[in-house]
Amino acid sequence: GAGVSQSPSNKVTEKGKDVELRCDPISGHTALYWYRQRLGQGLEFLIYFQGNSAPDKSGLPSDRFSAERTGESVSTLTIQRTQQEDSAVYLCASSRRTPSNEQFFGPGTRLTVL
Amino acid sequence: AQSVTQLDSQVPVFEEAPVELRCNYSSSVSVYLFWYVQYPNQGLQLLLKYLSGSTLVKGINGFEAEFNKSQTSFHLRKPSVHISDTAEYFCAVSETSYDKVIFGPGTSLSVIP
Repeated sequence: GAGVSQSPSNKVTEKGKDVELRCDPISGHTALYWYRQRLGQGLEFLIYFQGNSAPDKSGLPSDRFSAERTGESVSTLTIQRTQQEDSAVYLCASSRRTPSNEQFFGPGTRLTVL
Repeated sequence: AQSVTQLDSQVPVFEEAPVELRCNYSSSVSVYLFWYVQYPNQGLQLLLKYLSGSTLVKGINGFEAEFNKSQTSFHLRKPSVHISDTAEYFCAVSETSYDKVIFGPGTSLSVIP
């Protein structure tokens, strides 16, 4: 079946502009995660959605970052007034709600803020 | 709060030599543990996981990891590495009662021919 997809694969923007990153999870996966991976660094947790529960936003670095998810489908991560330090690969992952909690990752969106 | 430590940011090793990548976690409750691998220019994929039962778990590509509750560790091992094992390895933990997964900073394994 289809895996997790993300769009765009690459995004170059100017400082101060807003960007939207999209994630399509695997069908039937109730959990969806967003991570940020700066060059040469680990995965930084941003936000977690589980079904219709309130999302865990504890990892969002500032109020310029927000994310939405409608039901158990597509999610959009929005970064307002982008800064150069926002440049990174943004990864999305989804999983079933089972004890194994194995995450399936998308290919990521590489964001470059000039 | 959970956290994951991977003490070795870079590990160079000669081909066919054994390797151990260290992972320690902090949590006051029961956890699930994972190792993910990210090959150059590829996405992350699950290498192996510990949920319960036997503390020694085997994964893909000949890797294995041992859960040690008293030392809160989940070290990854392979008896003989190959060039194709060159990649970034991430240890991750989640509480059994809550699904959020926390990743460690990663260890870059470089296999030298």
